[in-house]
Amino acid sequence: GESVGLHLPTLSVQEGDNSIINCAYSNSASDYFIWYKQESGKGPQFIIDIRSNMDKRQGQRVTVLLNKTVKHLSLQIAATQPGDSAVYFCAENKGYGQNFVFGPGTRLSVLP
Amino acid sequence: DSGVTQTPKHLITATGQRVTLRCSPRSGDLSVYWYQQSLDQGLQFLIQYYNGEERAKGNILERFSAQQFPDLHSELNLSSLELGDSALYFCASSPKVQGAYEQYFGPGTRLTVT
Repeated sequence: GESVGLHLPTLSVQEGDNSIINCAYSNSASDYFIWYKQESGKGPQFIIDIRSNMDKRQGQRVTVLLNKTVKHLSLQIAATQPGDSAVYFCAENKGYGQNFVFGPGTRLSVLP
Repeated sequence: DSGVTQTPKHLITATGQRVTLRCSPRSGDLSVYWYQQSLDQGLQFLIQYYNGEERAKGNILERFSAQQFPDLHSELNLSSLELGDSALYFCASSPKVQGAYEQYFGPGTRLTVT
């Protein structure tokens, strides 16, 4: 069946380093992707999105890369800060009339 | 703060009982989504409403139901509760009815069934 998965369930990085969180999706029909951040005790928070007609999109300290050939999505966080510690979810959408499928999440821990 | 509010924050109840979770979407958003988040299942889409009408159903049990009222707030009703229903329940809203657009999540309701 269709699913969204993550390569790494946990990721620990040093403060100040760059973080890369990966996501593999199985449905080639998906054309819209979102990365969400969920801090403990809070709801998912939108970070950045990308549509399938793009392969890269940048935000503030974050970059999302989309490789449709291998159905892979990644979130890069530059100069990782303690406040970046959270669970990160990728979500895919097949487009019109469809709903989002969320991956299981990756926990990012920022070490001092 | 996403602008989406959910009440109550926490709910503890016994098996077999019925509870109602409430959600108010962001001002102007007509679409409301309900999700269940448990440790072993991740975020699971339950149901979507747009301007009072049901638009999509996901993995929602027959014991669960929802509705969206004319003022656009939504309620999720969970009945004949089982231990396995213990989870975080999130509401999200979006200005769009269909298509791919970001959803804004509320803080969630933590349901514990004992």
